[in-house]
Parts: sequence; structure tokens; C-alpha cells
Amino acid sequence: SQKIEQNSEALNIQEGKTATLTCNYTNYSPAYLQWYRQDPGRGPVFLLLIRENEKEKRKERLKVTFDTTLKQSLFHITASQPADSATYLCALGGGGATNKLIFGTGTLLAVQP
Amino acid sequence: GAGVSQSPSNKVTEKGKDVELRCDPISGHTALYWYRQRLGQGLEFLIYFQGNSAPDKSGLPSDRFSAERTGESVSTLTIQRTQQEDSAVYLCASSLALLGGSGPRDTQYFGPGTRLTVL
Repeated sequence: SQKIEQNSEALNIQEGKTATLTCNYTNYSPAYLQWYRQDPGRGPVFLLLIRENEKEKRKERLKVTFDTTLKQSLFHITASQPADSATYLCALGGGGATNKLIFGTGTLLAVQP
Repeated sequence: GAGVSQSPSNKVTEKGKDVELRCDPISGHTALYWYRQRLGQGLEFLIYFQGNSAPDKSGLPSDRFSAERTGESVSTLTIQRTQQEDSAVYLCASSLALLGGSGPRDTQYFGPGTRLTVL
């Protein structure tokens, strides 16, 4: 069955450093991959989309890579700030007949001042 | 503009009772999704509505769960004879997605969720 793995352990980093979050998947061939941010008590908020034919996508301090051979995406936040502290979810889509997304369990990022 | 709204924000019910959760998607969004998120876990897909197509119900965990959508507007998720394991946050999302599309239209916009507690 389709499986998405994200680091279940919280990631703690110092302010100003680069945070790197990992998303691995198996038994799936997505057409695209998305990253969402979720704050406590809130619904997820879309951050970035990367398609299967794209290697890298950037948006401000965010960078996403997508390696369909390794079946892995890396999500980087450069010059991290305490306000970046949240849970980050990866989601795969476009691999079937519908547009439903399959979400990972998320990784909690804590940026220490 | 207005985002996705859900009601109620919190619902506490007794085991065995039926509950109805409501979602108002963003106007013009053809696709609507329901997810369940248990404490400390990821989002679990429940059901997907796309225009006039038959809904994708593949994620519904049991026949106690059902959902309806009126045209391209409001959707209700109904849970009959609630059990304690149904306790979770139920999230609704909408998007402009067209079948097979893979562009920005597929971005899902989430509501704040309904926190359901079954005692």
C-alpha cells in the first residue's frame, strides 16, 4: 500500500540555521508533491508545489527538492526564525484518477531563539 | 476573501449519538475534501467530491460515516452511532482542481476544522 514517511521526531534548531525536513514515499508515483504548514488548532496552509519533472522549487526562504528516483522530497527553510515553528506536512497527489492528496504524518519544527 | 468555514468548531457528544458536521467551501471551488486528524497524527483522507462526478468514498472508515454535497456548495459529514475512536479533528478543504490537473489549481484550502469529542 502507499506509504509516506516523515520524521516523527521533532526537529529542534537554532534561529538563523537552515532546517531540513524529509519526506519519503513508497508504492506511489505522484505527479506532484506539496508541502503544507500546520499550526496548533488550525488547518494546514499550502506552501509549495513541485511537479514530478521539476528538481527544485524556491519561494523566499523556502526550497523544495523532489527526487523521483529516490522517492524523496527535502524541504529547507533557510535563516530560520522562531515564527517558523510549526508542523510541516508533505502530501502527494496526481497519482490516480482523482485529485485527492495523501498526507504524511508531519514533522514538528521548533526554532529556538 | 472568505475562506473555508466549518461548523461547529467544537462538538462534544455521547457515545451512540449521531453528529453532523458542516463545511462551506470557497465560492467557485469545484472540489471538496474531508479529512480526519487524530491527535498527533497526519491527515486521513475520508471522501472527495468533484463537480457532478460520483464522490470518491474510498477513505470512509465504516458505513457509519456518510457525506453529502449540494451542487458545488455546502457539504455535511454525518457520523452515526458515534464511538470513542471517532474523536478527532475533522478538516474540510476545497480547491479549484479539475480532474487530472496538476497545476496550482490543485492547492487545497483548509478550514479550521471541527474538534469532535465522543464521551
